[in-house]
Amino acid sequence: NAGVTQTPKFRILKIGQSMTLQCTQDMNHNYMYWYRQDPGMGLKLIYYSVGAGITDKGEVPNGYNVSRSTTEDFPLRLELAAPSQTSVYFCASSDLKTSGYNEQFFGPGTRLTVL
Amino acid sequence: LAKTTQPISMDSYEGQEVNITCSHNNIATNDYITWYQQFPSQGPRFIIQGYKTKVTNEVASLFIPADRKSSTLSLPRVSLSDTAVYYCLVGDPVTGGGNKLTFGTGTQLKVEL
Repeated sequence: NAGVTQTPKFRILKIGQSMTLQCTQDMNHNYMYWYRQDPGMGLKLIYYSVGAGITDKGEVPNGYNVSRSTTEDFPLRLELAAPSQTSVYFCASSDLKTSGYNEQFFGPGTRLTVL
Repeated sequence: LAKTTQPISMDSYEGQEVNITCSHNNIATNDYITWYQQFPSQGPRFIIQGYKTKVTNEVASLFIPADRKSSTLSLPRVSLSDTAVYYCLVGDPVTGGGNKLTFGTGTQLKVEL
């Protein structure tokens, strides 16, 4: 299994541009997540999904959109890039067990700079 | 959301046991406690998860007192490769989905020779 893959690894955007960060997992996990991590800070949840067709906002959703048309893919869309969105973006997935055990598997991250 | 508080940094030497404590005073009944490890330029990696008492796996132990208002991650005999940031995560994985999972500020552990 490749686990969780993210593309691109790096990207520089100009203010006002749009882009989609791709995330794919091959573990058949129901749960998927998008986090952002600013320098020297912890991770903040942007959006999450509990299954195909179901998404919900996390702690910092403003400026982002997501979709979940398949179990494997969970793309994150930035419509009008702003310097405040300069960050490292991590995608994660998990398979919630009935016992409550919920280990999240993270991708390698996308480093985004908005100038 | 259950807020967590951890020490910003800790220093240790190879071969020592390291204990990192996380405070979560307003933990909810259905919340679990999870710890992650993160190396620079990498995504976090799961270490251990528990609900109460003690949990042990091949890399760490997690101690949770009866009131569950804090938890302690114990790393036995650390090595240089354990130098990383450790995050305490408190949330309800069963009914809360991602919305109730909150990363703490993280503890930077530095292990020296």
